[in-house]
Amino acid sequence: DGGITQSPKYLFRKEGQNVTLSCEQNLNHDAMYWYRQDPGQGLRLIYYSQIVNDFQKGDIAEGYSVSREKKESFPLTVTSAQKNPTAFYLCASSGPSRGNYEQYFGPGTRLTVT
Amino acid sequence: QQQVKQSPQSLIVQKGGIPIINCAYENTAFDYFPWYQQFPGKGPALLIAIRPDVSEKKEGRFTISFNKSAKQFSLHIMDSQPGDSATYFCAARFGGSSNTGKLIFGQGTTLQVKP
Repeated sequence: DGGITQSPKYLFRKEGQNVTLSCEQNLNHDAMYWYRQDPGQGLRLIYYSQIVNDFQKGDIAEGYSVSREKKESFPLTVTSAQKNPTAFYLCASSGPSRGNYEQYFGPGTRLTVT
Repeated sequence: QQQVKQSPQSLIVQKGGIPIINCAYENTAFDYFPWYQQFPGKGPALLIAIRPDVSEKKEGRFTISFNKSAKQFSLHIMDSQPGDSATYFCAARFGGSSNTGKLIFGQGTTLQVKP
């Protein structure tokens, strides 16, 4: 059963703590993406990676970090430097990175920081 | 130049009506235009997509109309049903040598189809 998994579905953290969101895909896609979704603001790109061990900042990378050590995995860390971290986080993948246009999304993780 | 402008922000239609969602762009380097459907609490799902060399594409009750000269494209939902109530996003992707695979998304349209 191919697809993109994100865990956990809901995550609660105290302000000042770093938190890592998981994203795994078994679609053999080269490219992976992280988006943030806030009500009424659509999807905003945080980071993306076209290949293992390489990634680029998106439009709102401040306060976030990523790694891409394996093709299947692209974890996102929300650091304490992110001023407003409460949001719905979506991971996506597409592949090959310069061939297949279609981008597929995971089910999302809702992060609440208090 | 990298923006995709989507309208309306929200839309209410009766069952059987034909909601139309519009998107406009400026950058002619875009070469792929997908539409996504998102239900509350779920990830967006690819609905239908079009390339700029095609003026219309139909998949089931969903149709994309594309006007390359006006740099506009729209989604039409024929015979809309209450189950179509969702948020719809248009998007655009850069083509050619600047192709990184990433999409530029519109702001989204929340559609409600009343029974």
